[in-house]
Amino acid sequence: DIQMTQSPSSLSASVGDRVTITCRASQYISKYLNWYQHKPGKAPKLLIYDASSLQSGVPSRFSGSGSGTDFTLTISSLQPEDFATYYCQQSYSTPLTFGGGTKVEI
Amino acid sequence: QVQLQESGPGLVKPSETLSLTCTVSGGSFSRYYWNWIRQPPGKGLEWIGYIYYSGSTNYNPSLKSRVTISVDTSKNQFSLKLSSVTAADTAVYYCARNLAAAGTPFDYWGQGTLLTVSS
Repeated sequence: DIQMTQSPSSLSASVGDRVTITCRASQYISKYLNWYQHKPGKAPKLLIYDASSLQSGVPSRFSGSGSGTDFTLTISSLQPEDFATYYCQQSYSTPLTFGGGTKVEI
Repeated sequence: QVQLQESGPGLVKPSETLSLTCTVSGGSFSRYYWNWIRQPPGKGLEWIGYIYYSGSTNYNPSLKSRVTISVDTSKNQFSLKLSSVTAADTAVYYCARNLAAAGTPFDYWGQGTLLTVSS
């Protein structure tokens, strides 16, 4: 199985801050890395697919980069509605696997 | 607008079989893989497996011996059965779809249903 390691596991930030979350795969996954936002009691929401493609309807303050094994999600200016848990997920091979999550708190 | 909605009993006794159903509305049923994903309390997300509309399946090896995913295209539903459950199977169970092609993300998810295993 491909192990996905996210860091940090949690972070505290303020509105307007630039936030960066990293995700590392245990082996090569090309561009097949996706990012999701998850709020309690809600369905997870796809933000970024193929490492850097913005899902339709997602604000442009979200961006993704990386390829191979190392990836980054950046929120350029944190908004109140962005406080949530973020997960990376590899879609390179089955079993599909997720990172452990990064909780973004005020 | 695509919507996925999980339904199930909420509570299952240890050693019994868990059964959940996901009802899909909107969009095509035939172009996608239909997935089950779970999240135990305080833990991360675990992919359980998927089914294609034709009935072909792909399961997580860690659960393969206990999992069956089936599809009813006439009702736009797919279902999960997990046998011999224990407390470790207590989780929020999500259904989700991804386009039936290499490397595609989960673009729509259900809101999840909590399944508790307890006597």
